[in-house]
Amino acid sequence: AQKITQTQPGMFVQEKEAVTLDCTYDTSDQSYGLFWYKQPSSGEMIFLIYQGSYDEQNATEGRYSLNFQKARKSANLVISASQLGDSAMYFCAMREGMDSSYKLIFGSGTRLLVRP
Amino acid sequence: DSGVTQTPKHLITATGQRVTLRCSPRSGDLSVYWYQQSLDQGLQFLIQYYNGEERAKGNILERFSAQQFPDLHSELNLSSLELGDSALYFCASSVGLAGMRQETQYFGPGTRLLVL
Repeated sequence: AQKITQTQPGMFVQEKEAVTLDCTYDTSDQSYGLFWYKQPSSGEMIFLIYQGSYDEQNATEGRYSLNFQKARKSANLVISASQLGDSAMYFCAMREGMDSSYKLIFGSGTRLLVRP
Repeated sequence: DSGVTQTPKHLITATGQRVTLRCSPRSGDLSVYWYQQSLDQGLQFLIQYYNGEERAKGNILERFSAQQFPDLHSELNLSSLELGDSALYFCASSVGLAGMRQETQYFGPGTRLLVL
């Protein structure tokens, strides 16, 4: 069964430093997608970045990049130059398969606190 | 702003009651998903509709039901409410084209349900 594991319940980072949030996944499918979402204290879920299983390059979106290691089944999120507004819960999610059932399986999340 | 709207934002009701949560997807999106976020279960997929038809079902209780209307908005009906149904309910939408590798789901702001 597909599964997402986020082993860091909480993390601190100093403002302007980089931080890596860990995510490992388990799937027997060859085709899948990995997503990261941010959930600030206000509660909304904000899409950050996507990595497809067949993508050869690591995804990047502004200050967000995804360290994708397929053989190790890991998809870690790297946030560079942390800002106070980055303080939030971060969720890793996976979608398997290529049919039109696109449900996401989420990890338990990592709470990131950026220190001034 | 993701373009997905959900009403109401907050809902307080009593055990045994029935409520309806409403979602309007982003313009052009055919798929609507419902997720439940609770402290003990995390983020869980409930159900997906694609262009009016049920496409996938997750951990949705029999007391819960959903539908997607011809204008593509969706409603999640929760009946015989219990204390444990208190949670944040998200609606998400995506384009829903089969075979699209990056089928990003964009989330609405959520409906916070409190059952007393």
